[in-house]
Amino acid sequence: KQEVTQIPAALSVPEGENLVLNCSFTDSAIYNLQWFRQDPGKGLTSLLLIQSSQREQTSGRLNASLDKSSGRSTLYIAASQPGDSATYLCAVPNAGNNRKLIWGLGTSLAVNP
Amino acid sequence: NAGVTQTPKFQVLKTGQSMTLQCAQDMNHEYMSWYRQDPGMGLRLIHYSVGAGITDQGEVPNGYNVSRSTTEDFPLRLLSAAPSQTSVYFCASSKTPNYGYTFGSGTRLTVV
Repeated sequence: KQEVTQIPAALSVPEGENLVLNCSFTDSAIYNLQWFRQDPGKGLTSLLLIQSSQREQTSGRLNASLDKSSGRSTLYIAASQPGDSATYLCAVPNAGNNRKLIWGLGTSLAVNP
Repeated sequence: NAGVTQTPKFQVLKTGQSMTLQCAQDMNHEYMSWYRQDPGMGLRLIHYSVGAGITDQGEVPNGYNVSRSTTEDFPLRLLSAAPSQTSVYFCASSKTPNYGYTFGSGTRLTVV
């Protein structure tokens, strides 16, 4: 059974710091992995989608990597800003039924001015 | 470019009442799904659809009904609301799961 874990659950950093958020999954037979951002009381915004054949994806100050063999993905945020404060979630399609996403509980990030 | 639109954004129901959460997408996506998000439990799949006329249950379907008469719309019906259905509900759509999912802004439902 696929399980997704995100560590740490919460992170507080000063503005300007480079930081790494972690996402681990137990079944390496994934189709892809998707990172989302959720602002308090808001919806889910897709940040990056990494296919199983890819090692990384970049969008602006965000870089996501994928290592299927170790069951890990990292989201790297460069030069963090207060506007990056949000909860970051990762999700993978279930191996047995790819219509279902398996979610981590997220990392709550606070970037302090 | 609207993406996935959910209405209403907020709703308070009394126990036993019924209601429909609306979800519409304008991207011609075949895959649509409903999730609920609860503190400490993450997002859980309620129902999903792989095309008009085709629906299936997710992991927490009890108390909810869905239908998919058009590609664009995927409403979620609460038959008889219970306090345990207090949650934030998200609708999502995808061209195929390999293309990733687009989510709506959510509906915050409180059942009293």
